Amino acid sequence: DAKTTQPNSMESNEEEPVHLPCNHSTISGTDYIHWYRQLPSQGPEYVIHGLTSNVNNRMASLAIAEDRKSSTLILHRATLRDAAVYYCILRDLDETGANNLFFGTGTRLTVIP
Amino acid sequence: ETGVTQTPRHLVMGMTNKKSLKCEQHLGHNAMYWYKQSAKKPLELMFVYNFKEQTENNSVPSRFSPECPNSSHLFLHLHTLQPEDSALYLCASSREGSSEQYFGPGTRLTVT
Repeated sequence: DAKTTQPNSMESNEEEPVHLPCNHSTISGTDYIHWYRQLPSQGPEYVIHGLTSNVNNRMASLAIAEDRKSSTLILHRATLRDAAVYYCILRDLDETGANNLFFGTGTRLTVIP
Repeated sequence: ETGVTQTPRHLVMGMTNKKSLKCEQHLGHNAMYWYKQSAKKPLELMFVYNFKEQTENNSVPSRFSPECPNSSHLFLHLHTLQPEDSALYLCASSREGSSEQYFGPGTRLTVT
């Protein structure tokens, strides 16, 4: 699986938008970009995923660069409950069967009241 | 509440003990996973089961023995562990072909 690079940590003020970057310059044409987050003392939870087009759901938006070598997870209004470690993961969904995810070190987001 | 439960939530065991971790999912998924999360290290995928068949063993030592009797239950049998095996053990499940994995809350294991 191709590698991703994320900043170790970021800070945001409460109720402001947050843009979490991820670089994946070796991404292949069939790799989907996934984001998970892990709140303190919990298991990771799925946030969003996409292939080429930008994606929106109730939790966040995913903006994917035209060349797909980078992406940005956007939290439109950060709340204290969004403080977590955010993981950007590439996974080829063309493979059948179970989908193994390989987590990196992620970005630790701190939300300041 | 993700629909994936793990028991026990905390476990302290000696190096000569034998114990088992249990995971149960109520989501109708057919793939289940064990991960290990050590302090200050990324999550490590340990085992993957798809339709009760093991499809991945990520070079895990034999003192960890998984068991998947059906698509809803997954066990991790532990014996003669080492202190460096102390970690958070997370279970997850997913539908076949979906990368959306649902994680349990984990079992915090301490080996003394």
